[in-house]
Amino acid sequence: EDKVVQSPLSLVVHEGDTVTLNCSYEVTNFRSLLWYKQEKKAPTFLFMLTSSGIEKKSGRLSSILDKKELSSILNITATQTGDSAIYLCAVEGQSSYKLIFGSGTRLLVRP
Amino acid sequence: DTAVSQTPKYLVTQMGNDKSIKCEQNLGHDTMYWYKQDSKKFLKIMFSYNNKELIINETVPNRFSPKSPDKAHLNLHINSLELGDSAVYFCASSPFGAGDKDGYTFGSGTRLTVV
Repeated sequence: EDKVVQSPLSLVVHEGDTVTLNCSYEVTNFRSLLWYKQEKKAPTFLFMLTSSGIEKKSGRLSSILDKKELSSILNITATQTGDSAIYLCAVEGQSSYKLIFGSGTRLLVRP
Repeated sequence: DTAVSQTPKYLVTQMGNDKSIKCEQNLGHDTMYWYKQDSKKFLKIMFSYNNKELIINETVPNRFSPKSPDKAHLNLHINSLELGDSAVYFCASSPFGAGDKDGYTFGSGTRLTVV
């Protein structure tokens, strides 16, 4: 059965810290891995990583895909209180018509 | 303009009732989805539709019946509601699967509480 596992489940840091969130997956015919940020409502898209694009960066956020290790990390540098959210990792496998989500990492950034 | 809109945002109802949640997207996407997010924030696919055709039914009880009158709408009807149906239900759409640079676009969710 396809599976996505995220760690840690929760994390508390102080503003300015750097954090690394982990995502590992077991899926049939991997196509892409996506990271989302969920605050109070809908998940919002951060990055998509595929075999042809294994590293993405946007401001203080960056993500790398390790296809050999079947995993990805999401880095956030110089964290701010506004980074507090649940970060979801999802993988598109054999079926293009669904995403398999991990349970998320709940990040709390304290002032 | 809201890209993926769901109504209602909140729904409180008694066990045994029947309720519907509506979803509309104005992005011109071909594919629409229903996801369920439980109290532990775990998002799980329920249904996928592509151009009004059911593609995925992820072993959801048949009390849940999706309907797609056209590719811009995907509604979810739930019969005989149970306590375990309490969750946040997210509608989403994508151009074709998730293989597009912007991935899925989610609606803001419908929080269903069954009492």
